[in-house]
Amino acid sequence: EAGVVQSPRYKIIEKKQPVAFWCNPISGHNTLYWYRQNLGQGPELLIRYENEEAVDDSQLPKDRFSAERLKGVDSTLKIQPAELGDSAVYLCASSLASVDTGELFFGEGSRLTVL
Amino acid sequence: DAKTTQPPSMDCAEGRAANLPCNHSTISGNEYVYWYRQIHSQGPQYIIHGLKNNETNEMASLIITEDRKSSTLILPHATLRDTAVYYCIVLLSGTYKYIFGTGTRLKVLA
Repeated sequence: EAGVVQSPRYKIIEKKQPVAFWCNPISGHNTLYWYRQNLGQGPELLIRYENEEAVDDSQLPKDRFSAERLKGVDSTLKIQPAELGDSAVYLCASSLASVDTGELFFGEGSRLTVL
Repeated sequence: DAKTTQPPSMDCAEGRAANLPCNHSTISGNEYVYWYRQIHSQGPQYIIHGLKNNETNEMASLIITEDRKSSTLILPHATLRDTAVYYCIVLLSGTYKYIFGTGTRLKVLA
């Protein structure tokens, strides 16, 4: 069974450039999360989708970050323009919404370096 | 959401049990305790979760105190591959809002 797939794995850009990350969740998982992880810190939630609806985007910096999950399957996270402080690992996770388990399955992440 | 407190780092000898504590003194009755771990350069991986009772699976055991204010994750026979950052998370049932802290960096020593 394929896990959560993210691309690219690594991206180096100069500040003020745009960048996009793509995530394909596990088949059948209706809930999708984007997290940002800074060096030495735990992941911080940016946005959570249930199907195609963003149900929690309170932590997403909306001036420069945007996300979409048009058909309720794969998702894209965009940063435009990127700033030096955006250097981090961007993690995507998916789950089957369940009261009992809610186990998250994470991808390997996309490491962004902004120069 | 309840806050968790974990020691920043721990060492454990290979083959010995690793006991990772977590304090969640403000947990409420319908909040679960979840444990994830993150091996270097990978995404976090689910280990185990529980509400009130102790739980065991093929990876670990979770011991939750009777008052639910703290818990311990037990890796019964730690191996070098268990070296990772371990996160304790308290999750309100049905919210799916996982809040990761800084976790405990476990180093298993040969």
